[in-house]
Amino acid sequence: GAGVSQSPSNKVTEKGKDVELRCDPISGHTALYWYRQRLGQGLEFLIYFQGNSAPDKSGLPSDRFSAERTGESVSTLTIQRTQQEDSAVYLCASSFSPWGYYNEQFFGPGTRLTVL
Amino acid sequence: TQLLEQSPQFLSIQEGENLTVYCNSSSVFSSLQWYRQEPGEGPVLLVTVVTGGEVKKLKRLTFQFGDARKDSSLHITAAQPGDTGLYLCAAENSGGSNYKLTFGKGTLLTVNP
Repeated sequence: GAGVSQSPSNKVTEKGKDVELRCDPISGHTALYWYRQRLGQGLEFLIYFQGNSAPDKSGLPSDRFSAERTGESVSTLTIQRTQQEDSAVYLCASSFSPWGYYNEQFFGPGTRLTVL
Repeated sequence: TQLLEQSPQFLSIQEGENLTVYCNSSSVFSSLQWYRQEPGEGPVLLVTVVTGGEVKKLKRLTFQFGDARKDSSLHITAAQPGDTGLYLCAAENSGGSNYKLTFGKGTLLTVNP
């Protein structure tokens, strides 16, 4: 079946512009995560959605970052007034259930964002 | 938040050699996962370990969870070029929000033919 898809795969933008990144999770997966991966770094948690519950936004680095999810489907991550330090790969993951020991997350290929 | 330290950061070996990479923390984990990430792709889960002292094998890969559940290792026997990639460990945060994974910075493995 189809995995997690993300678009665009690459995005080059100018400092100060807004960007919108899209994630299509695996059908039936109730949990959705956004991570940021800077060069040479591990994955940095940004935000988590679970069903209709309020999202956990504790990882968002500033109020320039926001994310939405429509039901249990598509999610968009928006970065306003982009800065050069926002340059990174943004990864989306989904899982069937986040509870218990086996929180297996399925990752998309990521969107590589470059802010000039 | 648990801090995961992975070592070595970089490893370049010849095909056929054995290697071990490590994931350490001062915190106790409820569970720990190992992922492999290839260039241009997202991480893919290799294994989840839960019990202290647990050993899991996946073909030529052997994963071990420390008795105190504070550390883990990944051993690869007779490495092949297809093993090349970034190996990440990830642990579930203790204290309630167990959906949040904390990732180490990874070990970048290159296996040369």
